[in-house]
Amino acid sequence: SQQGEEDPQALSIQEGENATMNCSYKTSINNLQWYRQNSGRGLVHLILIRSNEREKHSGRLRVTLDTSKKSSSLLITASRAADTASYFCATDESGANNLFFGTGTRLTVIP
Amino acid sequence: EAGVAQSPRYKIIEKRQSVAFWCNPISGHATLYWYQQILGQGPKLLIQFQNNGVVDDSQLPKDRFSAERLKGVDSTLKIQPAKLEDSAVYLCASSGGGRALNEQFFGPGTRLTVL
Repeated sequence: SQQGEEDPQALSIQEGENATMNCSYKTSINNLQWYRQNSGRGLVHLILIRSNEREKHSGRLRVTLDTSKKSSSLLITASRAADTASYFCATDESGANNLFFGTGTRLTVIP
Repeated sequence: EAGVAQSPRYKIIEKRQSVAFWCNPISGHATLYWYQQILGQGPKLLIQFQNNGVVDDSQLPKDRFSAERLKGVDSTLKIQPAKLEDSAVYLCASSGGGRALNEQFFGPGTRLTVL
């Protein structure tokens, strides 16, 4: 089994700035998902991008996927203090929704 | 809709003791997962159920961990005997309902401390 790796491990930005975090993985995937985890709401699904998609948007979130480089990025625009959380990428290799989570990026948004 | 329920939220035990966690998934979700999340790491899948059958338990330390989902609804995860390295948050998730079949919905987790 393979696990994604997020980069950077930690990121601190001012409110209103954009935050970009990256995920790299090692094998072929069916889809890649991003999750957010904070103490208040636990682990929450943000967005899913399928292997045949290159970019997806949801509100202030933009996800890209480059299967040739086995990498994905999550962009959060106009960040808010409430975006402070850990962000994880998770890959679905088999299509069985058996997810492998990365190590996470800890984002701190300073008001 | 009601979310994934887990209990207890916190548990402190001594090493070599036993402990059990309970999970009630979102109504109608056929797939249930148990994850272990050690501090500073991402969740690691322990076991996946489809209804009451096991789909994947390759990462479950079967010498001490067991899980069941007898009626295809709620599930229990047991550790017997516990070791210090079992200290972690145990997350339950479910999927299979609604428009996003691949989205997993997570419960609040049970934080286990083994002393």
